[in-house]
Amino acid sequence: DAGVTQSPTHLIKTRGQHVTLRCSPISGHKSVSWYQQVLGQGPQFIFQYYEKEERGRGNFPDRFSARQFPNYSSELNVNALLLGDSALYLCASSLGAGGDTQYFGPGTRLTVL
Amino acid sequence: RKEVEQDPGPFNVPEGATVAFNCTYSNSASQSFFWYRQDCRKEPKLLMSVYSSGNEDGRFTAQLNRASQYISLLIRDSKLSDSATYLCAVKGYGQNFVFGPGTRLSVLP
Repeated sequence: DAGVTQSPTHLIKTRGQHVTLRCSPISGHKSVSWYQQVLGQGPQFIFQYYEKEERGRGNFPDRFSARQFPNYSSELNVNALLLGDSALYLCASSLGAGGDTQYFGPGTRLTVL
Repeated sequence: RKEVEQDPGPFNVPEGATVAFNCTYSNSASQSFFWYRQDCRKEPKLLMSVYSSGNEDGRFTAQLNRASQYISLLIRDSKLSDSATYLCAVKGYGQNFVFGPGTRLSVLP
């Protein structure tokens, strides 16, 4: 069975640009969460979506937005990129929105120049 | 105080050694606890969930101490392949997962 997939794998953008990251959860999983991980730190929670509704939002500016589609895939959008947005963006898939175990995709490594 | 803190590391141990990591959490309402391992420039992979009574999976043993609000991970007979960063994750009811900063382990030949 396919695990969590993310695209693209790597991305290089310049300050001020916009980026869209994509994630497909494990088949049967209805919840997708997004995390930002900078070097040397643990993943920081950005959003959780369950059944197309936002279930949680971390301490990130409004430049960050996300949505979930009817097939449970998800997009993370970041506007007006800053150098500090350079990080590994991880998508995690879980069955439900509760304390279910989360399984991570390979991540998208974003570099902002 | 951060929500989730871990031993700062790095831990450098010889093959065959036993090593233990601790993770403390500040939210007493936390209900779900996990250990993940993360290889360099890869995604975190679930190592094990942590249950109230403690649990073991081969060479790995996880413990939860709710009174003192910490979880631990014990690795016995360390292998070179155990070299990685170990992340703990904590979640409360209706809350989001919170990850610690990770503890890096290097198992030396």
